[in-house]
Amino acid sequence: NAGVTQTPKFRVLKTGQSMTLLCAQDMNHEYMYWYRQDPGMGLRLIHYSVGEGTTAKGEVPDGYNVSRLKKQNFLLGLESAAPSQTSVYFCASSRPSPVPGVSNEQFFGPGTRLTVL
Amino acid sequence: KQEVTQIPAALSVPEGENLVLNCSFTDSAIYNLQWFRQDPGKGLTSLLLIQSSQREQTSGRLNASLDKSSGRSTLYIAASQPGDSATYLCAVFASARQLTFGSGTQLTVLP
Repeated sequence: NAGVTQTPKFRVLKTGQSMTLLCAQDMNHEYMYWYRQDPGMGLRLIHYSVGEGTTAKGEVPDGYNVSRLKKQNFLLGLESAAPSQTSVYFCASSRPSPVPGVSNEQFFGPGTRLTVL
Repeated sequence: KQEVTQIPAALSVPEGENLVLNCSFTDSAIYNLQWFRQDPGKGLTSLLLIQSSQREQTSGRLNASLDKSSGRSTLYIAASQPGDSATYLCAVFASARQLTFGSGTQLTVLP
């Protein structure tokens, strides 16, 4: 039982390049999330998904796209990377709570450290 | 907009001391509050989740309390150990349907 895994662990991009971050979970969780963590700012939600085939915007969605084609995977894409997207990216997953749309305990992956030059 | 504040930003204590970490939030209409631990260069580990209907949760040496009306939560760590050194984050889930995080308290327990 690996929990939440993220690929890759580190990546350096040049401005304008594109890339996809992969998140996988083996806990059969319905909900999945992508966050970014910047120094002194805590974690901020980029996009999330409440089930296969559904996605929604979080607090800071601009410049990112996501897809949830399979329940266990959640992909985060950067179409044209910018230096402002230099950050640590975390994926998380959770079961839904008894209250519809409300997050239950979230489990996090180890993170991807992205640098955009 | 929900805002979560954690004070102090950093705390250093000698081993064996009991300590309290503070978290405050501006919108009291929350569904739940979660405390996490983050080790340097690592992901977040969930410590405790308190539902809005609960007053506290305990796990081993950790006890988290929630006072929704005053917008406050505390994480109590008993008999601290050097292995407790990490950054502790609190996060609330409220009407915006998103977890809002504080920026954390960096704890150092000195041997």
